[in-house]
Amino acid sequence: KAGVTQTPRYLIKTRGQQVTLSCSPISGHRSVSWYQQTPGQGLQFLFEYFSETQRNKGNFPGRFSGRQFSNSRSEMNVSTLELGDSALYLCASSLPGTSGYNEQFFGPGTRLTVL
Amino acid sequence: DAKTTQPTSMDCAEGRAANLPCNHSTISGNEYVYWYRQIHSQGPQYIIHGLKNNETNEMASLIITEDRKSSTLILPHATLRDTAVYYCIVRSSNSGYALNFGKGTSLLVTP
Repeated sequence: KAGVTQTPRYLIKTRGQQVTLSCSPISGHRSVSWYQQTPGQGLQFLFEYFSETQRNKGNFPGRFSGRQFSNSRSEMNVSTLELGDSALYLCASSLPGTSGYNEQFFGPGTRLTVL
Repeated sequence: DAKTTQPTSMDCAEGRAANLPCNHSTISGNEYVYWYRQIHSQGPQYIIHGLKNNETNEMASLIITEDRKSSTLILPHATLRDTAVYYCIVRSSNSGYALNFGKGTSLLVTP
């Protein structure tokens, strides 16, 4: 069974530009979550989508947005990039949760560098 | 979700058991303890989770104290490939899919 895939793996942008990252979940998984990882702040939750609807959102500015398609694939977009947006962006997929069970499967991440 | 406290770093000799502690003194009755790890430059990987009973799987064992205020993740025979940052996360089953990873414990397994 293929794992979570993320594209692109590496990306270099300049300040003010926008970027779109893509995530394909494991087949059959309908929940997709996004995380940002930086050396200073660690792993921080961005948002989670289930059945094309955003169910949870972390404490990030409106420049960070996402969406999910009917095939469960997800994209996240960052507009007006800032230097501080340089990070590893991780996507995780899950089956619809049963009581107390919440194993998330993570992709390898997209390394974004903003110059 | 309850706050967790973990040591910043630990060392373990290869082949020995690695015991990683986690304090979660404010845990409430419906909150589970989850452990994930992140090997350098990879995405986090689920290890194990539990509510109040001890749990074991092919990767590790989870020991939760009777008062549930702390837990220990045990890697019975650590290998060099177990060198990673280990995260203890406490959350309830109805708080969505957001995971609060905290700082974790950086485990170094040495030859």
